[in-house]
Amino acid sequence: AQTVTQSQPEMSVQEAETVTLSCTYDTSESDYYLFWYKQPPSRQMILVIRQEAYKQQNATENRFSVNFQKAAKSFSLKISDSQLGDAAMYFCAYRSFSGAGSYQLTFGKGTKLSVIP
Amino acid sequence: NAGVTQTPKFQVLKTGQSMTLQCAQDMNHEYMSWYRQDPGMGLRLIHYSVGAGITDQGEVPNGYNVSRSTTEDFPLRLLSAAPSQTSVYFCASSYSANFYYEQYFGPGTRLTVT
Repeated sequence: AQTVTQSQPEMSVQEAETVTLSCTYDTSESDYYLFWYKQPPSRQMILVIRQEAYKQQNATENRFSVNFQKAAKSFSLKISDSQLGDAAMYFCAYRSFSGAGSYQLTFGKGTKLSVIP
Repeated sequence: NAGVTQTPKFQVLKTGQSMTLQCAQDMNHEYMSWYRQDPGMGLRLIHYSVGAGITDQGEVPNGYNVSRSTTEDFPLRLLSAAPSQTSVYFCASSYSANFYYEQYFGPGTRLTVT
């Protein structure tokens, strides 16, 4: 079974600065998807960014980018120019490309990000 | 579009009571699923459905039943509530089971079992 580990329970960043959230995963599969979700205090789960394992190019979405290291099984999220609205829980998630595991997301335990004005 | 809606937002049950958490989506999505979120944990899959009439178990299915008689609705039933089922429950849907398509989450239901 796949596992997802987020080793930083809490992080903080100054407004306008850059922060990197870490995620590692364990899998024997070669094709899969990785995701970062944001959960603000409203509890709504919001997709931030996703990465297909077969793509070597790191995904970017505006101020959000990832550093995907397939050999190291690492998938970190970088938030640039942090804003107060970025304060939330961030979850890393894994999904198999095919087979039974393709029907579910496996989540890490989350990192709580605080943004300091 | 309302997206994914869940009712109720909050619920308190006594041990042994039964109830149904409602989930509906108006996006004509094939795939729907239920997750639970416990403190200090990520979301864990309870049950999922890849289309009307088709359901399957996820990682933590015990104590829960589902059915999918229509594309729009995917209710989650607790047959005999236990304190271990105290959690926040999320329903999600996507265009298909192919996760290339984004999953949309509902706002969650906070359930407390005393």
